[in-house]
Amino acid sequence: EPEVTQTPSHQVTQMGQEVILRCVPISNHLYFYWYRQILGQKVEFLVSFYNNEISEKSEIFDDQFSVERPDGSNFTLKIRSTKLEDSAMYFCASDRSSGNTIYFGEGSWLTVV
Amino acid sequence: AQKVTQAQTEISVVEKEDVTLDCVYETRDTTYYLFWYKQPPSGELVFLIRRNSFDEQNEISGRYSWNFQKSTSSFNFTITASQVVDSAVYFCALSDLSNDYKLSFGAGTTVTVRA
Repeated sequence: EPEVTQTPSHQVTQMGQEVILRCVPISNHLYFYWYRQILGQKVEFLVSFYNNEISEKSEIFDDQFSVERPDGSNFTLKIRSTKLEDSAMYFCASDRSSGNTIYFGEGSWLTVV
Repeated sequence: AQKVTQAQTEISVVEKEDVTLDCVYETRDTTYYLFWYKQPPSGELVFLIRRNSFDEQNEISGRYSWNFQKSTSSFNFTITASQVVDSAVYFCALSDLSNDYKLSFGAGTTVTVRA
């Protein structure tokens, strides 16, 4: 069964460092997302991406964040200068069409020290 | 504004007991979708069910069943004859046109099934 894959599964980084989280969405999906879950809290929307551009972003997704689909398969989330409060599980997700079922990857756990 | 409320923070049951998880939602749209996801201790989000707003039929899948009631804006989830492997956090989520169908999650209910 096709699935969303994410790397790395866990990354520890120092405050101020840049981090890139990578995702390979399901191959025939057109809509891509990043969500975040701070430990013990609910899952929060960060950004959606369609047709090679951001379609929507939340207040969390400030100038420190960026997304890119550099080739036909990868979808990346970059945090330019990490802060302690960026420590969270980051989920990549994809969807065949808007309003359909969103499938999540296994998450990338980011720890900023 | 859309909103999903899962009033139960934690539920603890003994194996083989039934457990029902409540979910109440708010939306202005007539077309919307409701979801349940399971998050086991390993951390991934596992899709369980998607239901559109025009389909109020209850659904059963093995030991899982869902009760969708538009009149009370609820989409409750029951696990019958619970097992230890059902221990997880369960999230209810809503997507609607007003929010470009992005998912809005409830706070989650932690289910612990004791042997």
